[in-house]
Amino acid sequence: QSALTQPPSASGSPGQSVTISCTGTNSDVGGYNYVSWYHQHPGKAPKLIIYEVSKRPSGVPDRFSGSKSGNTASLTVSGLQADDEADYYCSSYADTNNWVFGGGTKLTVL
Amino acid sequence: QVQLVESGGGVVQPGGSLRLSCAASGFTFSSYGMHWVRQAPGKGLEWVAFIRYDGSNEYYADSVKGRFTISRDNSKNTLYLQMNSLRAEDTAVYYCARIDYWGQGTLVTVSS
Repeated sequence: QSALTQPPSASGSPGQSVTISCTGTNSDVGGYNYVSWYHQHPGKAPKLIIYEVSKRPSGVPDRFSGSKSGNTASLTVSGLQADDEADYYCSSYADTNNWVFGGGTKLTVL
Repeated sequence: QVQLVESGGGVVQPGGSLRLSCAASGFTFSSYGMHWVRQAPGKGLEWVAFIRYDGSNEYYADSVKGRFTISRDNSKNTLYLQMNSLRAEDTAVYYCARIDYWGQGTLVTVSS
């Protein structure tokens, strides 16, 4: 049950795009299309922004998009806005009915 | 609207026990598998446990296996986490989650 690997930080200017990676193994990210992404503002609960690799829940703007290639999933945030500044976490279903999270990426809007 | 409200957190001594509850509303609780996820102060998210919609199977992170028990009462729309043999490293905010919806969390502090 090792954590997925995310970069600790990412940044971009308003209006720009930024991509956050999430690397796992064949036993989690690479083996299943059950990758989710969350963002978490300070003191708040995580909020789902992407599920099943690339699907957006109702109400999540299409500025957020997800993809996967092999053992690496990616989240792209386009048209960066000040409110996008938050911690971002990926998660994946893993073998033998486990779930695993990434270590988190702090996104800074410059 | 979907609501998940955790309760039962507090301060407990090492080796002690605590039972968390999560009251669910706004959806058919008995149709969904449910998770507990925790977040130590200043740290990332850690999956703790999952229980199937009907309570037929439970799954645990290695870090809590044998010490924590997840359960549910579908007649009361409530999820539980029984935590025994608590350690300092169990100190965290504990979230009840349907994965697409999360509660606001309850803080558990293990300290002497």
